[in-house]
Amino acid sequence: RKEVEQDPGPFNVPEGATVAFNCTYSNSASQSFFWYRQDCRKEPKLLMSVYSSGNEDGRFTAQLNRASQYISLLIRDSKLSDSATYLCVVTHPRGTYKYIFGTGTRLKVLA
Amino acid sequence: NAGVTQTPKFQVLKTGQSMTLQCAQDMNHEYMSWYRQDPGMGLRLIHYSVGAGITDQGEVPNGYNVSRSTTEDFPLRLLSAAPSQTSVYFCASSYSPGGTDEQYFGPGTRLTVT
Repeated sequence: RKEVEQDPGPFNVPEGATVAFNCTYSNSASQSFFWYRQDCRKEPKLLMSVYSSGNEDGRFTAQLNRASQYISLLIRDSKLSDSATYLCVVTHPRGTYKYIFGTGTRLKVLA
Repeated sequence: NAGVTQTPKFQVLKTGQSMTLQCAQDMNHEYMSWYRQDPGMGLRLIHYSVGAGITDQGEVPNGYNVSRSTTEDFPLRLLSAAPSQTSVYFCASSYSPGGTDEQYFGPGTRLTVT
């Protein structure tokens, strides 16, 4: 079983739709959680960190459920420019210094 | 700030050749790391460093060496290239080594081994 698992998609949604991705992780002591965005043939870039209380940045909302060991990303009012691969990232407990990446979920927003 | 820079952007090697992928950052970050990205596999950690003079292995270290003589530079050496090392390589850095900070990525090196 992979340490961080994501549905690879693709998720094909029309413009204006709301779409949600989940990511599960296996290490209950994982420390920090992030969502990164990666465009085709480009480097990953931070979309948002995920906090225990949940956090929102414009159209994007991230949540963490430690009991069930998953994080989620909700995108409202999807834009064509949201088309990308979304990577879930989890860090191991303090002292092990490793970021663990999921394989990513591909989103295509259709006109 | 240039951020994280990587050279070269593209490289073709023959099996058995060696080469060094360069990575530099100008943000005074302590933590630097190398990943490879293959289709369907996601980013996998090759080696990482929590500061000058300190390196450690990640998930897939075989066939690669690293060193960290300065805070700014973290080169990745392929000792004897194999077709299985065909991949996209990303270097990344973050301010602290504790795993709580955002990682900044370089633009990647696309390596083909024939």
